[in-house]
Amino acid sequence: DQQVKQNSPSLSVQEGRISILNCDYTNSMFDYFLWYKKYPAEGPTFLISISSIKDKNEDGRFTVFLNKSAKHLSLHIVPSQPGDSAVYFCAAKGFGNEKLTFGTGTRLTIIP
Amino acid sequence: EPEVTQTPSHQVTQMGQEVILRCVPISNHLYFYWYRQILGQKVEFLVSFYNNEISEKSEIFDDQFSVERPDGSNFTLKIRSTKLEDSAMYFCASSAGQGNDGYTFGSGTRLTVV
Repeated sequence: DQQVKQNSPSLSVQEGRISILNCDYTNSMFDYFLWYKKYPAEGPTFLISISSIKDKNEDGRFTVFLNKSAKHLSLHIVPSQPGDSAVYFCAAKGFGNEKLTFGTGTRLTIIP
Repeated sequence: EPEVTQTPSHQVTQMGQEVILRCVPISNHLYFYWYRQILGQKVEFLVSFYNNEISEKSEIFDDQFSVERPDGSNFTLKIRSTKLEDSAMYFCASSAGQGNDGYTFGSGTRLTVV
């Protein structure tokens, strides 16, 4: 039951360049999407979110884009920094629903 | 920065034993959650808790699992009779309100069932 999919298990990006992490979903009832960052031996840390009524949300170096018709969202990090090296999870929830459905994660490595 | 605290960080238990995982959510939060991540797999929802009762649970959260808020600060997950497949990282999370918060997660308890 892979309602949220992150098809790239890993991604390497040069420091200073743009990192683009992708996420696809199948459940059209999802109306809110979140990105989390996770370091080893720590819990997921909330990064940025977007409501289904928007197509873009920006917070500093992080921008999330949502394409509802394609059921696709992406996280852009620019410029990428060494501290951004972590596993990134996208997550989704439905209206009035509390649970988050997570993707399998993408391990981002920033190369100095 | 307020944080969600989980203890212990690592618990090893024998199959069939009961375990209690403990969490102290952020003090003014009202909604509490447990998630788990089996090694190499995705983070999965177990249960949400509000106003002293379960508000939602997944199919994973069967009769072997229970949650409790025994006092004003702790939130616990009990597994009555552990199985090998219960081995996972268990994350507690809390949020101030239902809706579109970025929940705050704890650092997790690694449960190893042998």
